[in-house]
Amino acid sequence: GENVEQHPSTLSVQEGDSAVIKCTYSDSASNYFPWYKQELGKGPQLIIDIRSNVGEKKDQRIAVTLNKTAKHFSLHITETQPEDSAVYFCAASIRAGTALIFGKGTTLSVSS
Amino acid sequence: DAGITQSPRHKVTETGTPVTLRCHQTENHRYMYWYRQDPGHGLRLIHYSYGVKDTDKGEVSDGYSVSRSKTEDFLLTLESATSSQTSVYFCASSREWDGELFFGEGSRLTVL
Repeated sequence: GENVEQHPSTLSVQEGDSAVIKCTYSDSASNYFPWYKQELGKGPQLIIDIRSNVGEKKDQRIAVTLNKTAKHFSLHITETQPEDSAVYFCAASIRAGTALIFGKGTTLSVSS
Repeated sequence: DAGITQSPRHKVTETGTPVTLRCHQTENHRYMYWYRQDPGHGLRLIHYSYGVKDTDKGEVSDGYSVSRSKTEDFLLTLESATSSQTSVYFCASSREWDGELFFGEGSRLTVL
């Protein structure tokens, strides 16, 4: 089945720096790759997603890139702020019509 | 935000007892999911549903069963709880299989 590897597991940056989180997936048939942010005590929330027909997508300070050949995708956060501190999860679909498989998460800490 | 509610939010039970967690959504979403979240493991899919009475197993389905008799309700049952099932359980729903997942606030289960 699908396997999603996520690195690093923890990431500490200074406010204003950039943060990059990387994920790899195993199933070449996967075609939907979302990123979720989980704040303490809450359920995860979608922050950005990308589909296999697109190489990059940007939304203000957040961007996601996808390399289907290498089967990896990355989340880029620029100009980090303390409120970006959270756990971030990448995910990939197993196949059409089925559920998402999540990576193990990255705890991002942004210090001011 | 999608109306996703989980109950109970906290439960302490003893090994060997049955436990049922309830997820209720008011968005008429077709897809519903149960994930468990554990330190070092991220979010792992237990079971999901792609319609009333249509369910399928996820990554960690052993020891769990689900039922969906109505669009809005998705029940997760632990027939005989074990200490390894101590976890935070998240329910989610989505309109499409490759669309945004809306998560509930989580149910913290402790099995003594």
